[in-house]
Amino acid sequence: DTAVSQTPKYLVTQMGNDKSIKCEQNLGHDTMYWYKQDSKKFLKIMFSYNNKELIINETVPNRFSPKSPDKAHLNLHINSLELGDSAVYFCASSPSTGVNTEAFFGQGTRLTVV
Amino acid sequence: AQSVTQLGSHVSVSEGALVLLRCNYSSSVPPYLFWYVQYPNQGLQLLLKYTSAATLVKGINGFEAEFKKSETSFHLTKPSAHMSDAAEYFCAVSPRGAGSYQLTFGKGTKLSVIP
Repeated sequence: DTAVSQTPKYLVTQMGNDKSIKCEQNLGHDTMYWYKQDSKKFLKIMFSYNNKELIINETVPNRFSPKSPDKAHLNLHINSLELGDSAVYFCASSPSTGVNTEAFFGQGTRLTVV
Repeated sequence: AQSVTQLGSHVSVSEGALVLLRCNYSSSVPPYLFWYVQYPNQGLQLLLKYTSAATLVKGINGFEAEFKKSETSFHLTKPSAHMSDAAEYFCAVSPRGAGSYQLTFGKGTKLSVIP
């Protein structure tokens, strides 16, 4: 059983399109995240979503919007895609309390905007 | 704000040699510290974590790390490198206490193992 699963794994699309990446976790965690990994492998937090509280990294363009239908899902919608959005996007989840905390990551979605 | 610095974007070692990947953190309060590994075209996998008073932490695949508060460091070591250890390694920090455990990552260190 995959703990954190993302779909699709690869996404190639044209500039200006709108796309979504789905994420589901079966760990019962309260908090989910989206990270962006650029071409230099640098990982940067985009959003964290904890019990319906959304914390947004202010450097993320408002073309990016997370949507959480329930605690187990956090989808990422991207409007008007740009070339610079090409990256690998990782979903992750973690418990919100307790000392045994760690983030579990999905396998990533490689987005290529052409 | 918390941050981590990984010294050396690329480290090469011979198979069987000691692996040492450096990580220093910046935080007013000792945070939780993590090492993650990313194999090519894969997601991140937790190697080990520091969340308690035990300063020497053992992880998977023979890796361990020592938390040194006086040096604000959390260096990752492995006594003998294996070819399968070639990957990208990330040090990360998150704040203590209840709430969202948002990770802040270092820029990563690519480990190459030479046969």
